[in-house]
Amino acid sequence: SQTIHQWPATLVQPVGSPLSLECTVEGTSNPNLYWYRQAAGRGLQLLFYSVGIGQISSEVPQNLSASRPQDRQFILSSKKLLLSDSGFYLCAWMPGGRVNTEAFFGQGTRLTVV
Amino acid sequence: LAKTTQPISMDSYEGQEVNITCSHNNIATNDYITWYQQFPSQGPRFIIQGYKTKVTNEVASLFIPADRKSSTLSLPRVSLSDTAVYYCLANQAGTALIFGKGTTLSVSS
Repeated sequence: SQTIHQWPATLVQPVGSPLSLECTVEGTSNPNLYWYRQAAGRGLQLLFYSVGIGQISSEVPQNLSASRPQDRQFILSSKKLLLSDSGFYLCAWMPGGRVNTEAFFGQGTRLTVV
Repeated sequence: LAKTTQPISMDSYEGQEVNITCSHNNIATNDYITWYQQFPSQGPRFIIQGYKTKVTNEVASLFIPADRKSSTLSLPRVSLSDTAVYYCLANQAGTALIFGKGTTLSVSS
């Protein structure tokens, strides 16, 4: 069966510090991968998605970046965090190449920038 | 990408049927309509998906008219545990998944 791992679960970082959040998927190949952010009381904001290794689409211009160094690994990074980067970060995957499919989400990372 | 529009919030009582309608006027031919449920501090969870007409599973029904420009999620006999945010998406494989603001459903006893 397929599983998605996202870590860490919580993170407190000072303003101006770097960020690296990692997401890995097991039990599938060539998944579509997504990073979302959810501010308190708000909806899900799509940050990046990837349909293959090295293929990253950015939905929102900001100080975040994403990389997909391996087929089932998706990394969200920042060189210098802002207070506004605080939020709940979710990684998700979908089977690649299929039309009628659903997205599966990780447990999320609660990031607080102080 | 098809933009979806849903009510911001709905209130209901335990045991009632709840219908949440979503508008997706510019839905594409290859788009499927998918509904997700999200509880606080958790990722969204798949509820139901359809392309046209009616789909039913063990937790919900999805009604899609012939023109596919809207869809209605029906939750039969809701309970307190159905209090959550419900998202409607119209999407196809390999594209961005845009969730929107969703509908906050509050179920009271």
